[in-house]
Amino acid sequence: KNEVEQSPQNLTAQEGEFITINCSYSVGISALHWLQQHPGGGIVSLFMLSSGKKKHGRLIATINIQEKHSSLHITASHPRDSAVYICAVTFGNEKLTFGTGTRLTIIP
Amino acid sequence: KAGVTQTPRYLIKTRGQQVTLSCSPISGHRSVSWYQQTPGQGLQFLFEYFSETQRNKGNFPGRFSGRQFSNSRSEMNVSTLELGDSALYLCASGGRAQETQYFGPGTRLLVL
Repeated sequence: KNEVEQSPQNLTAQEGEFITINCSYSVGISALHWLQQHPGGGIVSLFMLSSGKKKHGRLIATINIQEKHSSLHITASHPRDSAVYICAVTFGNEKLTFGTGTRLTIIP
Repeated sequence: KAGVTQTPRYLIKTRGQQVTLSCSPISGHRSVSWYQQTPGQGLQFLFEYFSETQRNKGNFPGRFSGRQFSNSRSEMNVSTLELGDSALYLCASGGRAQETQYFGPGTRLLVL
């Protein structure tokens, strides 16, 4: 079965802390997405990657294809980073399969 | 460029009714995907349309259907609504699933 697991489910941190959210998947993928969902439901695509590392501002996403694992890092976290972060992958069938999400709360 | 738009934003229906949701993709995008989000099941893929053809389908009953028009706008229909269909329905436009997806704000459906 094609599965995507995220950890932790919930994460609370102080403003300024370095944040890491993890995503593991069960079989080979063609692409991995990191999404951000704020209260109210809107989803923003943060990264799409199939290898290596990508950086955008304070956000960094890495993927290790051999270990079937990806991480999303946030440096110098800020209360506005509080959101649900969702990992999604495409397996061979090209359907997006989603993780359960990580609820991040940054305390000022 | 305008983003992905979805209408209506909120909807209340009763069991047994049917509903049609609309999604207008970003101009120039030919792919539209639909997703259902519930507290229990999380985000799940419904179907994907490209150039008016259904290219992929998730594991949902036949009550869920969709179509895409020549201008890439897409509609999703749910017939014989059940309480469990209460959810946030999201559409996304872009390329294939291996490419960046641009999500709309969603339609929140409540079935009573």
